[in-house]
Amino acid sequence: GNSVTQMEGPVTLSEEAFLTINCTYTATGYPSLFWYVQYPGEGLQLLLKATKADDKGSNKGFEATYRKETTSFHLEKGSVQVSDSAVYFCAPPSAGRRALTFGSGTRLQVQP
Amino acid sequence: EAQVTQNPRYLITVTGKKLTVTCSQNMNHEYMSWYRQDPGLGLRQIYYSMNVEVTDKGDVPEGYKVSRKEKRNFPLILESPSPNQTSLYFCASSPRQGAYEQYFGPGTRLTVT
Repeated sequence: GNSVTQMEGPVTLSEEAFLTINCTYTATGYPSLFWYVQYPGEGLQLLLKATKADDKGSNKGFEATYRKETTSFHLEKGSVQVSDSAVYFCAPPSAGRRALTFGSGTRLQVQP
Repeated sequence: EAQVTQNPRYLITVTGKKLTVTCSQNMNHEYMSWYRQDPGLGLRQIYYSMNVEVTDKGDVPEGYKVSRKEKRNFPLILESPSPNQTSLYFCASSPRQGAYEQYFGPGTRLTVT
């Protein structure tokens, strides 16, 4: 079935540092891809999405480009803030595209 | 405000005592789903529903039941809870089935002793 691989956390950065969280996936075809964010004590929220190959999704200073050649959808931000501390989930489709696949997520800790 | 609500947010119970976690969405979504989140395992789907009276098993359905009598509600039922069902539970909804954007509730933290 489909799967997703994310870098393990926690990722600890200082404020204003550059962030990259790697995500690679297996899927048939070119499905929509999503990044979700979970702030402490809350449910998951959609952060950004890309609906086709070579699309770039962006929101709140975060960006991710849908790379079909490498089946990757890495999340980046040029300057992180303490308020970005959260768990980030890359979510490609599950096998048969019945739903989305959520891995274990990557915890980001930003220090002042 | 468009949202998915869950109740209760926190619950501590004992083994074998039946419980229900409610989930409701006000976006007229057809697709609803339940997940559990455990450390190191990410989110795993328990059950999902494509529409009223249509439900199906996800990846970890054992020990759970669901029903979908109304479009907006999708309760999760634990007939005889056990300690291995201690987890953080999320309900989610989506406009339709498939790999589409999902909207999540705030979560229910369940402890079974």
